[in-house]
Amino acid sequence: DQQVKQNSPSLSVQEGRISILNCDYTNSMFDYFLWYKKYPAEGPTFLISISSIKDKNEDGRFTVFLNKSAKHLSLHIVPSQPGDSAVYFCAASASNDYKLSFGAGTTVTVRA
Amino acid sequence: DADVTQTPRNRITKTGKRIMLECSQTKGHDRMYWYRQDPGLGLRLIYYSFDVKDINKGEISDGYSVSRQAQAKFSLSLESAIPNQTALYFCATSDLKGTGTQYFGPGTRLLVL
Repeated sequence: DQQVKQNSPSLSVQEGRISILNCDYTNSMFDYFLWYKKYPAEGPTFLISISSIKDKNEDGRFTVFLNKSAKHLSLHIVPSQPGDSAVYFCAASASNDYKLSFGAGTTVTVRA
Repeated sequence: DADVTQTPRNRITKTGKRIMLECSQTKGHDRMYWYRQDPGLGLRLIYYSFDVKDINKGEISDGYSVSRQAQAKFSLSLESAIPNQTALYFCATSDLKGTGTQYFGPGTRLLVL
């Protein structure tokens, strides 16, 4: 039973526009959420995270929003650049064990 | 130099063979993990270790075993490989203290014929 779901397998966006990636979770014990970015032939790299005590975290062009009541988080990339084309994984953990549960990933393609 | 390294990067083997995938890290982290990635399923946890004397099964441990030879080394073995173990395998590490953010190696692409 997948506890973290990314329902959009792919997203295509024009360069300069906003990319919005969505993620839903079912486990109410999750209190730490992360986004990873993965290029072909490489391992996932940590992008940005958010603790459940916050509802927003920004790092440059990347912002993550958390809606705990809806068990939903999203990643905004503004503006999107060609180098952002990759697979993005949402992940979540509970502070009692720190194991990560991953979503299936969303492939983002940024068009010139 | 990479903080988390995996060898081999690619491997082709036959059904029934025993193979070992190795992971080394220079981050000084206590915790190490093995995942596999399959299309449409994301990353699934096979085994994890919180220190040298601690080994735990993940959600898909059947058919796999691990060895934590030192703080910096964590190996994954397929005792008798089968075709549905064809996948991308990733090793990851995290610090005992802090948020639990995990850092991944470059992966091993395994094909079992």
